[in-house]
Amino acid sequence: DTEVTQTPKHLVMGMTNKKSLKCEQHMGHRAMYWYKQKAKKPPELMFVYSYEKLSINESVPSRFSPECPNSSLLNLHLHALQPEDSALYLCASSQDGAVYNSPLHFGNGTRLTVT
Amino acid sequence: AQSVTQLDSQVPVFEEAPVELRCNYSSSVSVYLFWYVQYPNQGLQLLLKYLSGSTLVKGINGFEAEFNKSQTSFHLRKPSVHISDTAEYFCAVSKIQGAQKLVFGQGTRLTINP
Repeated sequence: DTEVTQTPKHLVMGMTNKKSLKCEQHMGHRAMYWYKQKAKKPPELMFVYSYEKLSINESVPSRFSPECPNSSLLNLHLHALQPEDSALYLCASSQDGAVYNSPLHFGNGTRLTVT
Repeated sequence: AQSVTQLDSQVPVFEEAPVELRCNYSSSVSVYLFWYVQYPNQGLQLLLKYLSGSTLVKGINGFEAEFNKSQTSFHLRKPSVHISDTAEYFCAVSKIQGAQKLVFGQGTRLTINP
């Protein structure tokens, strides 16, 4: 069982919808991440939160809006997405986001389809 | 900037045969090195990591990897594979200083045939 829980597992949404992806971890980790993974490709970093503050935004379009309400929760709010945004969205956490030698723990992802 | 090249996109092997998945990296600064595995419909799981010290690192599920600084390689090996090892394998690097980014290779699809 993964220690990073993502909901929902699958999501189908239209281009005018607003939806949210949720991620939760109870390992006491202080860094949390959103990655996007297209089929047969490696994960691509989207956002990093370190100690509940956004520390990295990889020039992600504003139709993706991250939120970190507390150290255990990470959300990704979606609005006006395009079909090319269909992908597996992975959440991850690590013990310490300041030094990148603490390994990432990944959730199983949300498979998003935009119609 | 760092980059990672996984030389084989697909590697088919027979069960109980040995396997090597190749990874080369490029970086102007010192790096940490990782191998992650992704089973179908799952997230990624850390197999092993090289931070410092012995260049031969052992990971989970019987995998090991050897760091070769002169050849800038970090190849993954297993002496005898099992059907359950069928998965996508990603090599990754990160800077040591001030780094929060993990740079992944393109992945190698390992398929184990009975």
